[in-house]
Amino acid sequence: GENVEQHPSTLSVQEGDSAVIKCTYSDSASNYFPWYKQELGKRPQLIIDIRSNVGEKKDQRIAVTLNKTAKHFSLHITETQPEDSAVYFCAAIRYDYKLSFGAGTTVTVRA
Amino acid sequence: NAGVTQTPKFQVLKTGQSMTLQCAQDMNHNSMYWYRQDPGMGLRLIYYSASEGTTDKGEVPNGYNVSRLNKREFSLRLESAAPSQTSVYFCASSETQGYEAFFGQGTRLTVV
Repeated sequence: GENVEQHPSTLSVQEGDSAVIKCTYSDSASNYFPWYKQELGKRPQLIIDIRSNVGEKKDQRIAVTLNKTAKHFSLHITETQPEDSAVYFCAAIRYDYKLSFGAGTTVTVRA
Repeated sequence: NAGVTQTPKFQVLKTGQSMTLQCAQDMNHNSMYWYRQDPGMGLRLIYYSASEGTTDKGEVPNGYNVSRLNKREFSLRLESAAPSQTSVYFCASSETQGYEAFFGQGTRLTVV
């Protein structure tokens, strides 16, 4: 089955700096890679996603890159703000609808 | 528009008791999922249902059963609860493979 690994597990950045989270996946059949943000005590919510036929996608301060050959994808947050503090999860889904998540990255933005 | 609704929000069980977690979505989604979330372990897939009438095991199915009652509802049953099943449980749904998954508000389950 699909195995998604996520690094780092914790990340502390100064407000205004960039944050990068990296994930790898094991199954080359995976074709959809979403990123979710979970604030304390709340449900995970989608912030950006990328499909296997696209190498990069950007939405304001958030961008995701995908390297299918190496089977890894990354989340980039620029100009970080205090409200970016949360747990971020990467995920991958295969043709059989199995949606698997990484272990999460706790991001803390220091004022 | 309620989205994905889980009941109950909180539950305390004694070891060996059984219970069913309910999940319903009103978005006409085909796929539904059950996850458990434990500190440092992310969201682990228990069972999923690609479409009405089908269910499949995820990464951690032992000790659980599911029923896709109809297109809207996907329930998770613990037949004999164990302390290791203490966790926060999330139900999610998506239109189909490769689309955004929407999560319920979660159920915090404690087994004593």
